[in-house]
Amino acid sequence: GQNIDQPTEMTATEGAIVQINCTYQTSGFNGLFWYQQHAGEAPTFLSYNVLDGLEEKGRFSSFLSRSKGYSYLLLKELQMKDSASYLCAAVDQKVTFGTGTKLQVIP
Amino acid sequence: EAQVTQNPRYLITVTGKKLTVTCSQNMNHEYMSWYRQDPGLGLRQIYYSMNVEVTDKGDVPEGYKVSRKEKRNFPLILESPSPNQTSLYFCASSLDSIAGELFFGEGSRLTVL
Repeated sequence: GQNIDQPTEMTATEGAIVQINCTYQTSGFNGLFWYQQHAGEAPTFLSYNVLDGLEEKGRFSSFLSRSKGYSYLLLKELQMKDSASYLCAAVDQKVTFGTGTKLQVIP
Repeated sequence: EAQVTQNPRYLITVTGKKLTVTCSQNMNHEYMSWYRQDPGLGLRQIYYSMNVEVTDKGDVPEGYKVSRKEKRNFPLILESPSPNQTSLYFCASSLDSIAGELFFGEGSRLTVL
């Protein structure tokens, strides 16, 4: 089975940088996803890591360490529209989601 | 436009009255899946399908049925709904595997009285 852990809530200031952590325990591993979900909407894909290291995509970056069972999502130059839940999901024989981190961006 | 379409978006029903939530994708995706989302519990997988006529149980399959007779459609059936099935349901698809980017439908909010 899988166990995925991420903080429940975070608050950060507009223009700042925030790091959302995710730890996972899986029997196998075929990659780790990050999704963004605005309140009342469907999740949308942000990133996918299968190899160790940092993947950068604009203001968003995602890091993976397979040996540590650890990933983080880094959001730079925060904007008010980044207020959302961020879902970590690990893949072995299936996709399992964490409970999500609700990020509030304040002025 | 590439999309996953679910219907109905909102439904209030009563215990025991059979219902079906439809899901259709127009991207020729092989993999489709159903999730329910509850506060504090996150997204939990109900059933998934790797291809036509191939379906498997996810983490919370009790009380649900699915079918995959055509590639584009993956309906979720609640034969005898109960109040603990009140939830927000999402259908999702990906191109060819569980390790592919998931495209989600807009969600179906179901209330069982």
